Amino acid sequence: KNEVEQSPQNLTAQEGEFITINCSYSVGISALHWLQQHPGGGIVSLFMLSSGKKKHGRLIATINIQEKHSSLHITASHPRDSAVYICAVGSTDKLIFGTGTRLQVFP
Amino acid sequence: ETGVTQTPRHLVMGMTNKKSLKCEQHLGHNAMYWYKQSAKKPLELMFVYNFKEQTENNSVPSRFSPECPNSSHLFLHLHTLQPEDSALYLCASSPNSAGAYEQYFGPGTRLTVT
Repeated sequence: KNEVEQSPQNLTAQEGEFITINCSYSVGISALHWLQQHPGGGIVSLFMLSSGKKKHGRLIATINIQEKHSSLHITASHPRDSAVYICAVGSTDKLIFGTGTRLQVFP
Repeated sequence: ETGVTQTPRHLVMGMTNKKSLKCEQHLGHNAMYWYKQSAKKPLELMFVYNFKEQTENNSVPSRFSPECPNSSHLFLHLHTLQPEDSALYLCASSPNSAGAYEQYFGPGTRLTVT
């Protein structure tokens, strides 16, 4: 069993839909990271959080430390949100990555 | 543009070749990383350097040899690779190697071993 589990693995949505991606982890962490990877490979950090909730534009990330669970929400989804979203947990001196959620948003 | 550059962006090499991947960061960070990303698998950490010292070698075969001459540059020297080493190789940097720091990724080198 992976130390970081994401669900779903694949997700399709119509433009405008509200999207939720979930991440569960089984190790002690110093912070949880949400990353976005577009086709072509480049990875961009979206959020780093260790408690509560953060919001950036249409993206919202939440974390529940007691339940070892985080969610990434996208409001009013758009085709340009199509990408792979990766959850990673920071543990001492490195990140442990989930397998990613591939999101496709259709017009 | 994340401030981390990688060259080359694409590389095709035979199993007997020797090549090097280069990573450079312009962010003043002290930690640099090499990751391997294969299809349908999570990102795999290969090496971590903190203040030019290697702090992590994640059981990587010796055909991959890292070099960190200073905090801004990181190399991955490749020799006698196998076809299963074909993957996207990503470099990243962060202020420090602790897991609570945001990492900044380069665009990656797509490596094909023939």
